[in-house]
Formats: sequence, structure tokens, C-alpha cells
Amino acid sequence: DVKVTQSSRYLVKRTGEKVFLECVQDMDHENMFWYRQDPGLGLRLIYFSYDVKMKEKGDIPEGYSVSREKKERFSLILESASTNQTSMYLCASSLPQGYGQPQHFGDGTRLSIL
Amino acid sequence: GQNIDQPTEMTATEGAIVQINCTYQTSGFNGLFWYQQHAGEAPTFLSYNVLDGLEEKGRFSSFLSRSKGYSYLLLKELQMKDSASYLCAVRDRGGTGANNLFFGTGTRLTVIP
Repeated sequence: DVKVTQSSRYLVKRTGEKVFLECVQDMDHENMFWYRQDPGLGLRLIYFSYDVKMKEKGDIPEGYSVSREKKERFSLILESASTNQTSMYLCASSLPQGYGQPQHFGDGTRLSIL
Repeated sequence: GQNIDQPTEMTATEGAIVQINCTYQTSGFNGLFWYQQHAGEAPTFLSYNVLDGLEEKGRFSSFLSRSKGYSYLLLKELQMKDSASYLCAVRDRGGTGANNLFFGTGTRLTVIP
């Protein structure tokens, strides 16, 4: 079974802090994704990566950056946390595009910015 | 752009059948996924449709009509554990990346005894 592991289930940080969310997958997947999930808005794509050292902006990248130094690890960085970044953050991974290749999700990090 | 609509909430009785609809508008349709998400847990993959028709997987089936921009997820013999949110997601060639998904806001299904 695919395992996508996010480093923290719950995290509380203060406004202005630099926040790191870590994600590791164990299935040698090329593609990795970061989403945030908010009530009434669904999952929205923040950043994605199709290969090591590669990153692309998703639909809502403002205020975030990412790092992918190794294939199995994809980090999301909040450069200076703000209260509107309080949300559930979900990491996902998948094989390259092909018939029906689904994204596999981690359990999520519920981040609160005070 | 992409627009995906699904009902916000549904309630159904244990043992019954429920159909969750999803309509979408995309510029370059390239497949539709259904995910199940229990409260506080990760979304898990249920089904995939890229061609018109019905895909069946045990108690769950998913249907697609590309000409109508329409899909549904059919759950048979409902069990209490089926209480969850069901997410419709469309893969769009015109999005920020060819393998990227666009999600609806999800349908929260409550199964009652």
C-alpha cells in the first residue's frame, strides 16, 4: 500500500513565524502535491512537483514556497505565517499521468496560526 | 477555468441506495475521480472514469457522460461506515499541470439507521 506521511497532525504557530510542513512518500512516486482544504471551498492546489528539484505553482501559491531535494520528500513552507493560512493541509503523491493514476493522500496537518 | 458542482449534504438510510451527482465544466477534460473522506482522515481513492459509461467496484459504481459534463457515484446496500464526504475531482489538460486535479467542495453523506 502507498504510504504518504505528514510530519504533524496538529500544529499551532504564531503570526509571522516561518512554518515547515513535511511530507514523505514511500512508493517512489514522481509527482507530489500540496493542497489546503477549507470548509465550503474544497481542496485547492498550492504547489506541485513532477520531479526532484522541480516545482510549479498551483492555484493559490501566494504566501507559500516548497522544496523537493529528494524524490520522496516534499516540503511546504509558510514564509511568514498569517491567520488566513489557518487550514487543513494535505499532501499527495502519484505516478506520472497514465490511465487512472490516482493521487494518494496523507492524513493531513491541521495548522492554526494565532 | 474549471467549475465542479455537487450537493453539499445528503442523508440516506442504512441498506438503501444513494446517488451522488457531480456536474463539471472544463476546457480539456482528461478523467474524473471520486474520493471518500471520513472526518479527520485522508481522502481515499474510490473510482476513475475517462470514457462514457458505468464502472462498477463492489457496492460502489461510478458513471460518466462527457457530452453532458456529468458523473454520479452510486452506493448500494448502504452501511453506517459509508457516512463520509465524497469528493468529485476532474483532471483537466488546461490546468496548471497535466496531471492536476480540480476538486468539488464535496458531498457530506449521512447514513441513518
